[in-house]
Amino acid sequence: EAQVTQNPRYLITVTGKKLTVTCSQNMNHEYMSWYRQDPGLGLRQIYYSMNVEVTDKGDVPEGYKVSRKEKRNFPLILESPSPNQTSLYFCASSRTGTANTGELFFGEGSRLTVL
Amino acid sequence: GQQVMQIPQYQHVQEGEDFTTYCNSSTTLSNIQWYKQRPGGHPVFLIQLVKSGEVKKQKRLTFQFGEAKKNSSLHITATQTTDVGTYFCAGPSSGGSNYKLTFGKGTLLTVNP
Repeated sequence: EAQVTQNPRYLITVTGKKLTVTCSQNMNHEYMSWYRQDPGLGLRQIYYSMNVEVTDKGDVPEGYKVSRKEKRNFPLILESPSPNQTSLYFCASSRTGTANTGELFFGEGSRLTVL
Repeated sequence: GQQVMQIPQYQHVQEGEDFTTYCNSSTTLSNIQWYKQRPGGHPVFLIQLVKSGEVKKQKRLTFQFGEAKKNSSLHITATQTTDVGTYFCAGPSSGGSNYKLTFGKGTLLTVNP
């Protein structure tokens, strides 16, 4: 089954404790992206990757890191989480990017709480 | 920077009534996409519009892309309780990059049975 898998789905952590949210897709997609969703603010793009070893900042990259060492995986790293990073995070992928294929496939989401 | 405005923010309808959400971009878009997110779920792709003035239908849903490619709308005829959710439009950010996708804030639709 074609899917985007995120882990963990739920996490409560404390300020400053490094964490990684993993994202994996099994569709051989070139493009992957991370979004955060906050009430009243909609979906905001954090980082995206056009292919292996190619990443770029979205609209709200501060406090986050990403890497794309393999095509299928695109982890989101919070080196020193802060309470303002409490949010619902979505990973998404598409075949070659928005202009050509359009369809973004989203993971189930990861709800993160930073105390 | 790129702005994608969506109105209304909320819409409550009686089952059977029609519903429309509007999306406006501050810049011309090469394409626009629409997504639906059920409560507690993740966004699911509905459609992509590419051509100026394009109109596409999916059963009771009608999607339009404006002639100037700066606005779009989603119209649902005779809403059902299964239509409940948040509808988002999204477009590539300005500056030529088609990889940086900007979402509108969404319209939350609730349907009273």
